[in-house]
Amino acid sequence: QSVLTQPPSVSGAPGQTVTISCTGSSSNIGAGYDVHWYQQLPGTAPKLLIFDNRNRPSGVPDRFSGSKSATSASLAITGLRAEDEADYYCQSYDSSLYVFGSGTKVTVL
Amino acid sequence: QVQLQESGPGLVKPSETLSLICSVSGGSTSRYYWSWIRQPPGKRLEWIGYIYYDGSTNYNPSLKRRVTISVDTSKNQFSLKLSSVTAADTAVYYCARVDPTSSLFFDYWGQGTLVTVSS
Repeated sequence: QSVLTQPPSVSGAPGQTVTISCTGSSSNIGAGYDVHWYQQLPGTAPKLLIFDNRNRPSGVPDRFSGSKSATSASLAITGLRAEDEADYYCQSYDSSLYVFGSGTKVTVL
Repeated sequence: QVQLQESGPGLVKPSETLSLICSVSGGSTSRYYWSWIRQPPGKRLEWIGYIYYDGSTNYNPSLKRRVTISVDTSKNQFSLKLSSVTAADTAVYYCARVDPTSSLFFDYWGQGTLVTVSS
């Protein structure tokens, strides 16, 4: 099964910018499939944060932004806030299969 | 606003069948694709499969032999059955709607239900 790789953890002080990478391969991100991001607050279900690489659903602050290039994608959180402390997952598509990243825990120092 | 709610036993014995139901409100199961996703403790999310309102399905190959997803449009529900469970099937199980435009991501999720496989 294909794997999307993310760093286990990133951290930053309030107000700073953190970036989470999502590395795929030629069969998923590199094949042209879009990347989507989910935020999972402690003890809750994942929530759609970014879709189609860079689009935000209604209600998601513009502090969250996404980008994609070649076989990888990134999620940036600017102006980091305490409520951003959560797990973040990227997701794409590969061989008729929805695939998720390994997840990144964001810690606000 | 679409809302999804999982229900079913929280404890299943090894070798038995796990059965869950997802009740949908604010949207109709007579449209769109509806999916099941699970998350073992401390691990990544894993897509299990989806069903379309017409009954067509697509399953994760790693689980295909043991999975059945069905839909009951009259009750606005869809369900998951996973047979011959082992401890490795212990996870939080989520139901979700597949985005209706591209069908490539999940726009609404249930709150999730923990299913533990243990004797």
